[in-house]
Amino acid sequence: KQEVTQIPAALSVPEGENLVLNCSFTDSAIYNLQWFRQDPGKGLTSLLLIQSSQREQTSGRLNASLDKSSGRSTLYIAASQPGDSATYLCAVMMDSSYKLIFGSGTRLLVRP
Amino acid sequence: EAGVAQSPRYKIIEKRQSVAFWCNPISGHATLYWYQQILGQGPKLLIQFQNNGVVDDSQLPKDRFSAERLKGVDSTLKIQPAKLEDSAVYLCASRKPGRKWETQYFGPGTRLLVL
Repeated sequence: KQEVTQIPAALSVPEGENLVLNCSFTDSAIYNLQWFRQDPGKGLTSLLLIQSSQREQTSGRLNASLDKSSGRSTLYIAASQPGDSATYLCAVMMDSSYKLIFGSGTRLLVRP
Repeated sequence: EAGVAQSPRYKIIEKRQSVAFWCNPISGHATLYWYQQILGQGPKLLIQFQNNGVVDDSQLPKDRFSAERLKGVDSTLKIQPAKLEDSAVYLCASRKPGRKWETQYFGPGTRLLVL
């Protein structure tokens, strides 16, 4: 059974810092991995999607890496801003079922 | 392009009452999902529809939860009777037809509190 774990559960940093969010998964038979952002009272927004054959994806100040063999992914946020404050969720899509399995998220607060 | 619409946004009920949630997916999206997100956890899939047929409902508590998608567009999720542990955000998502690995688009969710 696939389990997705995100560390840390919460993170508070001053504005301008570079930071790394971690995601690990137990079953490497994944089709892809996605990072989502969730703002309070709102739905999920997809930030980056990494196919299982890829090593990383970049969008603006965000960079996500994937090491499928070790079951790990990281989301790197450069020069953090207060507007980055949100919960970040990692989700893997299973190879066989195309189901999304989510982690519990990292709640990020960027202090001005 | 309009996003996934959900209503109501908030609902407070007492245990043993019934409640229904509505979802309107993005136009043309054949696949529709309902997720349950308990506070502090990630979303968990309850049911997946392809057009108006059920693809996966393995994690739907069928003794109290039901869902339908008439005409392959809008969908409703019902809980009857509700329990305290049903307090959660219920998210609806939809996906373009054809490619199962494409990203899902999520609605704002319905926050349910069962007292």
